[in-house]
Amino acid sequence: GDSVTQMEGPVTLSEEAFLTINCTYTATGYPSLFWYVQYPGEGLQLLLKATKADDKGSNKGFEATYRKETTSFHLEKGSVQVSDSAVYFCALITGGFKTIFGAGTRLFVKA
Amino acid sequence: DAGVIQSPRHEVTEMGQEVTLRCKPISGHDYLFWYRQTMMRGLELLIYFNNNVPIDDSGMPEDRFSAKMPNASFSTLKIQPSEPRDSAVYFCASSLQAGVSNIQYFGAGTRLSVL
Repeated sequence: GDSVTQMEGPVTLSEEAFLTINCTYTATGYPSLFWYVQYPGEGLQLLLKATKADDKGSNKGFEATYRKETTSFHLEKGSVQVSDSAVYFCALITGGFKTIFGAGTRLFVKA
Repeated sequence: DAGVIQSPRHEVTEMGQEVTLRCKPISGHDYLFWYRQTMMRGLELLIYFNNNVPIDDSGMPEDRFSAKMPNASFSTLKIQPSEPRDSAVYFCASSLQAGVSNIQYFGAGTRLSVL
């Protein structure tokens, strides 16, 4: 079945460091790919998305490119801030109504 | 819009008691989802509704769990009787449409502790 695999956390970085969170997927058909973010004490919210191969989703300085050849959707940010500390979830949908979420990666950013 | 509203935010109960969690989706959204989040199992889809009708409840763990959506603006998730292993954060989410552009909007969650 469809699945999403994320790098295990926690990831701990200093402020202004470069961030990469790896995400790979297995899916039948042509999925749309998403990154959701969960701040402490809150629900998940959409960070960015890409609906077809080679699309780049971006928001708040975060970027991810839909790579069909490597079935990946890695999240990157050039300079993280303390306020980026959260749990990040990679997710996919393949034509149905279910969103398949990864296990989540916790990010800690130190001042 | 106020977003997806869940109540209560926190619930502490004793084993064997009935627990009811409530959700008000975003107005106009046709899909409603209930999730459970734990450290061990991550985010699990329990059930989802389309136009108030339950479509897939295969994620509901046991008969102790039930969910209803009596109208477009209200849904409940009930656990009866509750057990300590039900302790988790329960999220409700809604979305406007289905398919590959489906963006889900989550509530802030209900943290349930069963003692």
